[in-house]
Amino acid sequence: DAGVIQSPRHEVTEMGQEVTLRCKPISGHDYLFWYRQTMMRGLELLIYFNNNVPIDDSGMPEDRFSAKMPNASFSTLKIQPSEPRDSAVYFCASMRQLAPQPQHFGDGTRLSIL
Amino acid sequence: QKEVEQDPGPLSVPEGAIVSLNCTYSNSAFQYFMWYRQYSRKGPELLMYTYSSGNKEDGRFTAQVDKSSKYISLFIRDSQPSDSATYLCAMTLGNTPLVFGKGTRLSVIA
Repeated sequence: DAGVIQSPRHEVTEMGQEVTLRCKPISGHDYLFWYRQTMMRGLELLIYFNNNVPIDDSGMPEDRFSAKMPNASFSTLKIQPSEPRDSAVYFCASMRQLAPQPQHFGDGTRLSIL
Repeated sequence: QKEVEQDPGPLSVPEGAIVSLNCTYSNSAFQYFMWYRQYSRKGPELLMYTYSSGNKEDGRFTAQVDKSSKYISLFIRDSQPSDSATYLCAMTLGNTPLVFGKGTRLSVIA
């Protein structure tokens, strides 16, 4: 089975630009999560979906962040406009059900906003 | 107070040492306790999970949960350089997303 696939792996862009991060979850997984990881704050949950429906977006830091899941095999996280403080590693993860099922992570998108 | 506290380290040990990694938490309702391992430039992967209190052993790894103290531990015996990674504890009520610690960076020196 292919794992969770994220693209791009690296993104460097200038402040104010729109950034779109993409994720393909593992087939058959009903839950999809978007996380942000920094040294200061660790791994933070931004939003999660169940069967393509957003369940909790309370972790989305500002209105500049939005996420969609148009179908079971694709999700996007968009930042518009981007700011330097958005620089972080963004992870997508999927799981079949909530605990104790394991959560499978992609290898992340390393985002740098100049 | 954060829900889950974990010392970020870094922790450096010689090969063959016993490693102890720990987390404390504040929500007594947590039922599932997990340890994820994250290699550099990779996503975290599940190492072990424990339901409620007690111990669980898997090869060189032992996970312990003490719900009365709200304290969980991961022990690594006979540590190897390949164990060098960041270890994140995570926990959940069961029907809610995982809450992660910040992770402890471990280096095992040959």
